[in-house]
Amino acid sequence: RKEVEQDPGPFNVPEGATVAFNCTYSNSASQSFFWYRQDCRKEPKLLMSVYSSGNEDGRFTAQLNRASQYISLLIRDSKLSDSATYLCVVNTGNQFYFGTGTSLTVIP
Amino acid sequence: NAGVTQTPKFQVLKTGQSMTLQCAQDMNHEYMSWYRQDPGMGLRLIHYSVGAGITDQGEVPNGYNVSRSTTEDFPLRLLSAAPSQTSVYFCASSYSVANRETQYFGPGTRLLVL
Repeated sequence: RKEVEQDPGPFNVPEGATVAFNCTYSNSASQSFFWYRQDCRKEPKLLMSVYSSGNEDGRFTAQLNRASQYISLLIRDSKLSDSATYLCVVNTGNQFYFGTGTSLTVIP
Repeated sequence: NAGVTQTPKFQVLKTGQSMTLQCAQDMNHEYMSWYRQDPGMGLRLIHYSVGAGITDQGEVPNGYNVSRSTTEDFPLRLLSAAPSQTSVYFCASSYSVANRETQYFGPGTRLLVL
């Protein structure tokens, strides 16, 4: 069983739309959770950490449900510049596990 | 700060050749790691280090060696390249693995093994 699973998409949404990505993880001992963004042929960059109480950064909201081992990312008012692949990342012990990523294209 | 640097950017190898991928960071980060990224597989951890002199295996360590003689450098050695090692390799560093520290990635090395 994979440590982290994500729906690969692709998600194609119009500008201004709200889109949600989901991710599940298999190890209940995992301690930290993140969303990274990766643009085509570039390195991943941190979008936001995910806290148990949920957290928001502008148009982006992340949620964590430890009981269901589920992480989500909500993007409101999508911009063309949001087009990228979004990676769910889980830290267990000294290792980080990446999901395969969810591709988002925002259409004018 | 240069951040995390990787060399080379591109490399073509023949099966059986060996090479070293270089990674350096100037942020005094203790934690460094190597990943490979393949289509449909996501990033997979090859090796990591929690500090100078300490290394450990990740998910896919076979065929690779690492060392961490200084805080700044974390080279990845391919002992005898195989076509299955064709991939994009990313090095990353963070201050620590705890406390939700941000991982900073290098620009990647694209490796083709013929």
